[in-house]
Amino acid sequence: EVQLVQSGAELKKAGESLKISCQGLGYSFTTKWIAWVRQMPGKGLEYMGVINPVDSNTYFNPSFRGQVITISVDRPMRTAYLQWNSLKASDTAMYYCATVLVVSGHSTHSFNYWGQGTLVTVSS
Amino acid sequence: QSALTQPPSASGSPGQSVTISCSGPSGDVGDYKYVSWYQHNPGKAPQLIIYDVTERPSGVPDRFSGSKSGNTASLTVSGLRAEDEADYYCTSYAGSDNLVFGGGTKLTVL
Repeated sequence: EVQLVQSGAELKKAGESLKISCQGLGYSFTTKWIAWVRQMPGKGLEYMGVINPVDSNTYFNPSFRGQVITISVDRPMRTAYLQWNSLKASDTAMYYCATVLVVSGHSTHSFNYWGQGTLVTVSS
Repeated sequence: QSALTQPPSASGSPGQSVTISCSGPSGDVGDYKYVSWYQHNPGKAPQLIIYDVTERPSGVPDRFSGSKSGNTASLTVSGLRAEDEADYYCTSYAGSDNLVFGGGTKLTVL
């Protein structure tokens, strides 16, 4: 059974760094691209970006390219990461990782397995 | 890239059908077949219910169906049940490995 297990909730201060994780279990890790999705308090879902675990190539939503975030993977650990070097209060949100559904060899650009979410709270 | 436009709310009585729309400018919904829909219950992970405009993942009831006409995609929930009450989001591929979400629709089962 495919599972994405995310790290626990974080309470940080503005200016601090943070790295949250998403471990993929129950499948061959390099066969599914992993995306990150943000949900700010009381708001809708936002696509942040996606990483190809094979070559670590990342593709960001243009809305997030100006922000100082990094998406990475550790293949032996079967884990994807979302990282901030300097958090802002506006980074307070629930963050989900999710796998990209591929059907008949083509990406559907949809997300079929999701992690449980990591709540990040940043105080100013 | 602006969010796709969804009505903020929709409602229906048990057994009825409700349709949620999702529209965007050219460059996403109208240009690609990669429209997806998600059901999201607060406190839980979103669930994929439609991909490639009309396709249902295994395990999703056929009460859920998707369609598209021009720049507008639609999700229809037939035979409404109490457990269908949730937030629903559409997404569309927008080119250059980018995706855009709709603003979400809160479905209430009366």
